[in-house]
Amino acid sequence: ETGVTQSPTHLIKTRGQQVTLRCSSQSGHNTVSWYQQALGQGPQFIFQYYREEENGRGNFPPRFSGLQFPNYSSELNVNALELDDSALYLCASSRARTDTQYFGPGTRLTVL
Amino acid sequence: GQQVMQIPQYQHVQEGEDFTTYCNSSTTLSNIQWYKQRPGGHPVFLIQLVKSGEVKKQKRLTFQFGEAKKNSSLHITATQTTDVGTYFCAANDYKLSFGAGTTVTVRA
Repeated sequence: ETGVTQSPTHLIKTRGQQVTLRCSSQSGHNTVSWYQQALGQGPQFIFQYYREEENGRGNFPPRFSGLQFPNYSSELNVNALELDDSALYLCASSRARTDTQYFGPGTRLTVL
Repeated sequence: GQQVMQIPQYQHVQEGEDFTTYCNSSTTLSNIQWYKQRPGGHPVFLIQLVKSGEVKKQKRLTFQFGEAKKNSSLHITATQTTDVGTYFCAANDYKLSFGAGTTVTVRA
């Protein structure tokens, strides 16, 4: 167990809706990264938060947004859901920006 | 960003046999990390390689980083059913850039 937790475990939404996913980082870690993993593919980087600031962003549209809180937990928000947003959403925490990242169990999002 | 490619995509192995999965990049990597994801699970960190030509072993798993730091390999000896899963390599430059993975199945 990495100590990284995510909620909810599973979620079903319809197109056009909005969703918020949550992640609690491992104790002592101040960096959280979010990834999207479509079925049969490797995880794709969405963005990273370091000490409450966005530290980098992958090739995802602005409807993917996030927050990091003073306790270093984080949220991923997705607006105007599309069918292609169906995926496993993983968060990973690390002690520093380029340190080893430890993944949580993920949230499985299904968009109908 | 850095891109890595993995081969093969699928590896079907007889229990007890050895196999190797490869990770290649067109650019020099600062480091390479390996993760294992069991079916229905999440990626679990296995190891990080940083130095040119570095070789690290974890029991039956041997990881190698190429001299030019553009490729890496994972070799598993005496495959067991517990080795089932998808093995990913990832370049780490604050964000992880994952390969597509090698999915391993084991025939008992």
